[in-house]
Amino acid sequence: QSVLTQPPSVSGAPGQRVTISCTGSSSNIGAGYDVHWYQQLPGTAPKLLIYRNSNRPSGVPDRFSGSKSGTSASLAITGLQAEDEADYYCQSYDSSLSGSVFGGGTRLTVL
Amino acid sequence: QITLKESGPTLVKPTQTLTLTCTFSGFSLSTSGVGVGWIRQPPGKALEWLTLIYWNDDKRYSPSLKSRLTITKDSSKNQVVLTMTNMDPVDTATYHCAQTEGGYYHYYMVVWGKGTTVTVSS
Repeated sequence: QSVLTQPPSVSGAPGQRVTISCTGSSSNIGAGYDVHWYQQLPGTAPKLLIYRNSNRPSGVPDRFSGSKSGTSASLAITGLQAEDEADYYCQSYDSSLSGSVFGGGTRLTVL
Repeated sequence: QITLKESGPTLVKPTQTLTLTCTFSGFSLSTSGVGVGWIRQPPGKALEWLTLIYWNDDKRYSPSLKSRLTITKDSSKNQVVLTMTNMDPVDTATYHCAQTEGGYYHYYMVVWGKGTTVTVSS
């Protein structure tokens, strides 16, 4: 049971928009700690996708965007492409654990 | 260019101690706000944060594993070492190290190593 809750799976057709939610609590996202997102393509190491809620590292397409509100955060992917098929993880800091926490991951399937 | 590479045994026996080394380049672990963390991923499962060492040698551990983990750094060698005692088959996983930025609480894993797979079996 992860401290941050994500849907196990989402899917969408090419060109569509999908969102992935990340629900936390008052000791992590709700406490004001930033949320970060990672993309893990099959058989590879995770890659930073969004940092500090809504910032994209250099090289990440602007089809990917992040937002945060209250005790939740969301990752949105527009113009879905086949190469977006991957696992996505959110991450934040938890004050009650005095450490970082990851969500359980969401598998994105491009139909 | 920032790179990190994990090294260590691929197979350990139950009750043994695991020692993994993260060798990095392209950044300094003496720079304020920078850290190196360890994250593991059991086969087919989610990422699990283990530990982090900050630029000032402060350390944080996952509460559920704190009694078994030790993280140290050698900035002159650009290495971070993870030690995990009393290994069990449930510790079988790919272990990644990652460079972190963002300071004490808002840190994120900027660059990840490819990971090293550790199997715990007699």
